[in-house]
Amino acid sequence: QKEVEQDPGPLSVPEGAIVSLNCTYSNSAFQYFMWYRQYSRKGPELLMYTYSSGNKEDGRFTAQVDKSSKYISLFIRDSQPSDSATYLCAMSVGGFQKLVFGTGTRLLVSP
Amino acid sequence: DSGVTQTPKHLITATGQRVTLRCSPRSGDLSVYWYQQSLDQGLQFLIHYYNGEERAKGNILERFSAQQFPDLHSELNLSSLELGDSALYFCASSSNRDSLNTEAFFGQGTRLTVV
Repeated sequence: QKEVEQDPGPLSVPEGAIVSLNCTYSNSAFQYFMWYRQYSRKGPELLMYTYSSGNKEDGRFTAQVDKSSKYISLFIRDSQPSDSATYLCAMSVGGFQKLVFGTGTRLLVSP
Repeated sequence: DSGVTQTPKHLITATGQRVTLRCSPRSGDLSVYWYQQSLDQGLQFLIHYYNGEERAKGNILERFSAQQFPDLHSELNLSSLELGDSALYFCASSSNRDSLNTEAFFGQGTRLTVV
């Protein structure tokens, strides 16, 4: 069983929809939780990161961490075609070192 | 553009061969991380160097090795290549040793194809 599980999708939504992306994990020592966006043939780009449990909001993006359930989510409001990409969750025991990634969810937002 | 430069962008080589991937971190960054991204395994941490010293190892095969030079660029050496080594190899850099609250920025990757 992988340490971090993520549905590969693809997830297809119409423009303007609210998107929910999720990951589950098994290692209770994880304290740092990140969401990356990766466009085709590009490197991952950090969207948000959270330390420990709770919510964090940045514009159209909201990240939630529920450590009791070992479950993290990323919500995208008012989704745009430019949001079409692969979204990777990542987590670690110590900051941005030794990140453990999910396999990524491919999101397609149609106009 | 993250400021992390990886060369070459693409590499095609035969099984059994050896290749070297190069990474130039962002100006001033002392930490370099290498990751492998394959279709079935996703992104996996390989190794971390800080200011020339190895800091941590992940799922790195014995056939793979890395080093960080005094000018802070890093090289990942892959030898006795197998078909299964075909993947995207990413390097990331950050400014400090432990990167607790300091983002690590990823390069564009090197796509390695072993035939």
